[in-house]
Amino acid sequence: DVKVTQSSRYLVKRTGEKVFLECVQDMDHENMFWYRQDPGLGLRLIYFSYDVKMKEKGDIPEGYSVSREKKERFSLILESASTNQTSMYLCASSLGRGDSPLHFGNGTRLTVT
Amino acid sequence: QKEVEQNSGPLSVPEGAIASLNCTYSDRGSQSFFWYRQYSGKSPELIMSIYSNGDKEDGRFTAQLNKASQYVSLLIRDSQPSDSATYLCAVSPTGGGNKLTFGTGTQLKVEL
Repeated sequence: DVKVTQSSRYLVKRTGEKVFLECVQDMDHENMFWYRQDPGLGLRLIYFSYDVKMKEKGDIPEGYSVSREKKERFSLILESASTNQTSMYLCASSLGRGDSPLHFGNGTRLTVT
Repeated sequence: QKEVEQNSGPLSVPEGAIASLNCTYSDRGSQSFFWYRQYSGKSPELIMSIYSNGDKEDGRFTAQLNKASQYVSLLIRDSQPSDSATYLCAVSPTGGGNKLTFGTGTQLKVEL
């Protein structure tokens, strides 16, 4: 079974703090993704990566950056957290084939106060 | 902006009935389609994938795809209270790739 592990289940941070969300997958997947999920808005793609040190912007990249130094690890960085970044953050991974489904981690519920 | 539309529900069905969940998409070139189940407070889990027109069955679940009508559906037979969840439809972009577009989900409630 694919295992995608997110480092924290719940996080509370203050406005202006730098926040790191970590994600590790154990199935040697090429692709990794970061989504946020908000009520009524569904899942929205923030960033994704098809390879080590490679990243592409998703639909809502503003206020976020990512890092992929190793194949199994994909980090989401909030440079200066704001209250509108309070959300559920979901990491996912998939094989490099175009028809491969995404496998999600358990999610991190981030609250910015 | 490519779109995936789902009725938000809630869709209420009695235990043992068939639940029918629907999804329409705007990208005519989409090739891969997925259904995810998401329990409240949990992350989405894959339950079905479908790539060709027609029906695909897996246990109590049947996915149906009609590319001409840009329509994909999920049928759940013999619905159980444990099926109560939000069901997300996800669609791949033209040309393939894993940058899926998700619908906002349909909430299903199976009542005793």
